[in-house]
Formats: sequence, structure tokens, C-alpha cells
Amino acid sequence: KAGVTQTPRYLIKTRGQQVTLSCSPISGHRSVSWYQQTPGQGLQFLFEYFSETQRNKGNFPGRFSGRQFSNSRSEMNVSTLELGDSALYLCASSLYRVAGETQYFGPGTRLLVL
Amino acid sequence: DQQVKQNSPSLSVQEGRISILNCDYTNSMFDYFLWYKKYPAEGPTFLISISSIKDKNEDGRFTVFLNKSAKHLSLHIVPSQPGDSAVYFCAASGASGNKLVFGAGTILRVKS
Repeated sequence: KAGVTQTPRYLIKTRGQQVTLSCSPISGHRSVSWYQQTPGQGLQFLFEYFSETQRNKGNFPGRFSGRQFSNSRSEMNVSTLELGDSALYLCASSLYRVAGETQYFGPGTRLLVL
Repeated sequence: DQQVKQNSPSLSVQEGRISILNCDYTNSMFDYFLWYKKYPAEGPTFLISISSIKDKNEDGRFTVFLNKSAKHLSLHIVPSQPGDSAVYFCAASGASGNKLVFGAGTILRVKS
């Protein structure tokens, strides 16, 4: 079974631009969560989607948004990019939203904002 | 406010010996605890988890211990192998949803 895939793997943008990242979960998985990893803040939860609805949101500004499609694929968008948005963006999927359920992570998208 | 803390940024262990990675948490509402391993340029890989109703869970060379009264958990790797060298993250979640709260990670180096 194929794992979680994320595209693109690397991205360079300039301040003020916007970016869209894509995540395809493991086949059959319906829950997708997004995390941001930076050297200073570590791994931080962005949001979670299940059945095309945002179920949970982390403490990030409204410039960060996401959506989930009927096939469970998910995208996240960051508008008006800032230098501090440079990070590794990780997507994780799980079958459902059962507490304690294992989440499987993709390889991440490395975003560099210049 | 760091709800999950891994106070040791790094740990160095000789091959064949035991590696013990520690994690403390402050939120008593956490019900599940997970350990992930991460290599550079890859996403975290799930290792082992434990629910708050247990105090120990084993899977091969990996054992996780939970002390609820102390809000402390530890991951034991026995015997340690050079391939175990990676960053280890402790994560916690509550009773609902999939939000994981991560610690800062501990770099484990296993020397051969």
C-alpha cells in the first residue's frame, strides 16, 4: 500500500506570494492533518480534516487555510507569505478520528520564503 | 506554553546498550502518547504508543513506560543499533480528534 504522498517536495517563493501544498493520504484513510516544523517552534499542529470538514485548528493566523476533497486528498494554502513561513510542512493521515489512532506522515514539503 | 517537553536535546549511546529517551507533559487531559522517529528529509515514522490506562507497552526492541502521577513517559530501546540514530519525538493527544502535541525532539546517536 502506498504511503502518504506530498507535492511538491521543495518550493521557493518570495514574500507576499501565496502557495498551495498538496497531500494524498494512504488509500482508505479519511482523516488528514497538517503540521508545520521549524527549528524554533518544533512540530506544530495546523489543522485537521475529516469528511471534507475542518474538525480542529491550531493556533495559526488566517493566512493558513486548507481543504479536503471527496477523495480525501487535501490541500493547504498560505497567502501573503512571510519569511517566518519557511518550514517543513508535514501531512499525516489516519483511517478515522479515533483517539489514539496512529497517524502516518508523508515526507513533507520544504518551503523556503525569500 | 510547552505541554510536552523533551528536556534532553541529544543522547549518545554505545551500540548494544540501552537507550532511554524521556518525555514530560503538563496537560492531564492527554489520553494517548506516541513516539515517532524522524530521519533528515523524511517525515516522522510511528514507533509505539500507549494509552493512559496502561503503564507499559512493548513492541520488539521498543518499550514505552508511562507514569501518570509524575506525568512522565520514557522510551527504552534495547539493544540499541546504529540504524536507530535519528530524532525521536514524543507526542500526546486528547480523548477526541487527531491533534498531536509534540515535544521538541531528542537526537539519538548510537555509536558502533
